Amino acid sequence: QQPVQSPQAVILREGEDAVINCSSSKALYSVHWYRQKHGEAPIFLMILLKGGEQKGHDKISASFNEKKQQSSLYLTASQLSYSGTYFCGTELTGNQFYFGTGTSLTVIP
Amino acid sequence: DSGVTQTPKHLITATGQRVTLRCSPRSGDLSVYWYQQSLDQGLQFLIQYYNGEERAKGNILERFSAQQFPDLHSELNLSSLELGDSALYFCASSLGQGRGHIQYFGAGTRLSVL
Repeated sequence: QQPVQSPQAVILREGEDAVINCSSSKALYSVHWYRQKHGEAPIFLMILLKGGEQKGHDKISASFNEKKQQSSLYLTASQLSYSGTYFCGTELTGNQFYFGTGTSLTVIP
Repeated sequence: DSGVTQTPKHLITATGQRVTLRCSPRSGDLSVYWYQQSLDQGLQFLIQYYNGEERAKGNILERFSAQQFPDLHSELNLSSLELGDSALYFCASSLGQGRGHIQYFGAGTRLSVL
């Protein structure tokens, strides 16, 4: 039930783009994206709902393919502050919520 | 600051002991979620409460229990502690339950079992 994220890790130079993928084997109500700095609390980035609604930060974009139970997070023109571990969270029936294993993103000057 | 308060921040205890972790949700939020984060396993969903009632269970061990009180704060009780229970425990709260509600995370309680 835990979604699978790819890649596991990525290193970018400032200004480069990245895509993080999240895939579930279960039908999803929604996909949530969070970023976590080491030892800190996860910070909300984006929610994508079944039916197309999205809520999130203006500078973050993501997609949700309901038929394939897949979501992708698009990070463009990366900044040093984008470094951290990105988690997708998937909401299933019965309010169960599962986070992926995370994608470590490092942005270097 | 997310508005979610977790206490204590750090907890060091011995195997076999029992501890209680506390979470105060954001003002107005009715749902509370508990997660365990170990080094190798990412964020594991444990349990969710909504307005005092248990609504969803994840990978929570029988040695662990939780409740949400009338004032909406929540406690996670961990008993017969083992070395493998050492982890960062996060509480999150949201306005409602189910789809579309953003979860706001507290700073976590770091539990070390020696």
